[in-house]
Order: sequence, then structure tokens, then C-alpha cells
Amino acid sequence: EPEVTQTPSHQVTQMGQEVILRCVPISNHLYFYWYRQILGQKVEFLVSFYNNEISEKSEIFDDQFSVERPDGSNFTLKIRSTKLEDSAMYFCASRGTGFGEQYFGPGTRLTVT
Amino acid sequence: EDQVTQSPEALRLQEGESSSLNCSYTVSGLRGLFWYRQDPGKGPEFLFTLYSAGEEKEKERLKATLTKKESFLHITAPKPEDSATYLCAVITSGTYKYIFGTGTRLKVLA
Repeated sequence: EPEVTQTPSHQVTQMGQEVILRCVPISNHLYFYWYRQILGQKVEFLVSFYNNEISEKSEIFDDQFSVERPDGSNFTLKIRSTKLEDSAMYFCASRGTGFGEQYFGPGTRLTVT
Repeated sequence: EDQVTQSPEALRLQEGESSSLNCSYTVSGLRGLFWYRQDPGKGPEFLFTLYSAGEEKEKERLKATLTKKESFLHITAPKPEDSATYLCAVITSGTYKYIFGTGTRLKVLA
């Protein structure tokens, strides 16, 4: 069964450093998403991406964040200068044409020290 | 402001004890409502999509229903493996942004 994969599973970084979180969505999917979930809190939408451009972003997704689909398979989230409050689980998701049927990856736990 | 509220926050059931989880929403226009299951340390797993009031979807011991203000996830004769956090999310008209509720943590005891 196809699945979304994410690497690394856990990333520890120092405040102010840049991190890149990687995702491989399901191959025939067209819509890609990043979410974050701070420990014990709800899943929060960050950004949606379609046809090689951002289709929507949340207030959280400020200039420190960027996304890219550098080739036909990877989808990345970059945080330019990490802050302590960026510590969270980051989930990538993808979907085909059905709105609800997003498939989530296992997540990358980002710890900023 | 668009909002999704889930209740209860946590629920403990005995195996076989049926119950319902609630997701109420206040949105400018509902495009779709979704239920997901999330196990600890993992990503949400898609369960159902509901688009219009009166719609129902079923899968094994789970049944989701939708009204104009809320959705219910009914769990019939639950088993311990149904223990998880159940998340509700909505998309509102004119956006691609999914808004999630805080979830209901379900624990089913053998």
C-alpha cells in the first residue's frame, strides 16, 4: 500500500540554525501539505501546495518558512532560523482529488535547543 | 472565526460499551468535514469524509453522521484496539485550509 514517508524521524537543532524536513508524498497525488503539532495540542495547518506553488498558508507560515518540490518526488519544508517555539511534530500529507482523503506521513519530531 | 470543538476531551469505555464522540463546528461555509484517527507518535489516519447534512458513512464499528452544526462519530461495541485519539477537521468554502479540533482521546478497556 502506498504511503507518505518523512525523514528524518527526529531532528535536534540549535536555535538559529536552518533545518530542512523532507517528505516523499504518494506518487500520483497532486496536493501536498505541511502541518505541525506541538506536544499535547491540536494539529495545525501550515501550508498547502499544488501545481508547484503555494495555494494557501496559515499565519504560522511566516517568512522563516519555505516549501519546495525540488524534483518529482520530494517535498520539503525549510525553517530558516529555528526558534525554541518551533519544537513540534511536523507532518507532511498528500492527497489526490478527494478533499478528505489526505494521507499523513509518520512525522518528524523537531527539537530546538 | 472558523472553529472546531470536540467533546469529550477524553473517554474511557469498557469493551463492548457503545458511545459517541462529538465535533461541533462554526464556519462561514462548510466544504467538508473529516474524521481521522491518530495513534500516539504517529500521523493521523483518514477515516471518513462528510459533505452535507444528513450524510452518513460507516466502517466496521465506526459510523459518522453530519448535521448543519455538528458531527458524531458513533462507536459500536468498541474493542481495545479502537483506543486512539479521534480528530475532526473541516474545510471551509473558498479555502484549502484544514482546521482540526483538539481531538477526543478514547481508551477502551478489556
